[in-house]
Amino acid sequence: DTGVSQNPRHKITKRGQNVTFRCDPISEHNRLYWYRQTLGQGPEFLTYFQNEAQLEKSRLLSDRFSAERPKGSFSTLEIQRTEQGDSAMYLCASSRRASGEQFFGPGTRLTVL
Amino acid sequence: AQRVTQPEKLLSVFKGAPVELKCNYSYSGSPELFWYVQYSRQRLQLLLRHISRESIKGFTADLNKGETSFHLKKPFAQEEDSAMYYCALVVNAGGTSYGKLTFGQGTILTVHP
Repeated sequence: DTGVSQNPRHKITKRGQNVTFRCDPISEHNRLYWYRQTLGQGPEFLTYFQNEAQLEKSRLLSDRFSAERPKGSFSTLEIQRTEQGDSAMYLCASSRRASGEQFFGPGTRLTVL
Repeated sequence: AQRVTQPEKLLSVFKGAPVELKCNYSYSGSPELFWYVQYSRQRLQLLLRHISRESIKGFTADLNKGETSFHLKKPFAQEEDSAMYYCALVVNAGGTSYGKLTFGQGTILTVHP
C-alpha cells in the first residue's frame, strides 16, 4: 500500500499521560498536514510541514501539542498531559504541493479516559 | 477567517432520484473549493475540485461566486453514493494558508433502494 499510513490506529490512554502518533506520507510528497476531527464535525487543521519545516500552526495546537518531521519524511504528533477534550480522530494528509488536493491517512482515534 | 457551511447534516433520497448537497462559504478573496467523500470504513478522499470542472462518479459542482456556494449535484443517485460528504476550501496560492483545508461539518447522504 503506497498511501498515507498512520500508527497506531487506536489509542486509549488515561488523563495526564503522554501519547505520540506517527504518520508516514506518500513518499514523493513533501507537504504534510495534521487535522483533528471530533464527533459530528469536519476535520480541523492543526499544523503543516513543507519538508522538515513546520510552516503553520493552528491556535488549536496548545503548548501541550508538538509535531515534528525531522527528516522531511515521517511525522510525529505528541500530546503531553492528555485531557479528555483531546479525545478525537487525528488525521494526517500529504500532498505534492501546497494544495487542497490532499491524500489522507486512515487516522488515529484517541480516547482519553 | 474563512468558513464553510453545510446546512444539512443528513440527506436521504431514493435510488434514481436527483441529489443536491449544499455548501456555502465565506471568504473575502477567491478560494479554491473541493468536495471530499468518506465511504463506510474508508479514508477521506477527494471527490472533485472546482478548478477541474469535471464530473466524477456522475457528480458535478459549480462554483457560484455571487451566492458563495459550491453545491454538489448528481442527477440520478445510486446506492453506492451513500457516504459522508465534506465541502472544503483552500485560500488561493497567493495567500498564506499553505494549502490548509477548511472543512464544513459534513452531510451524510443515504440512498435508499
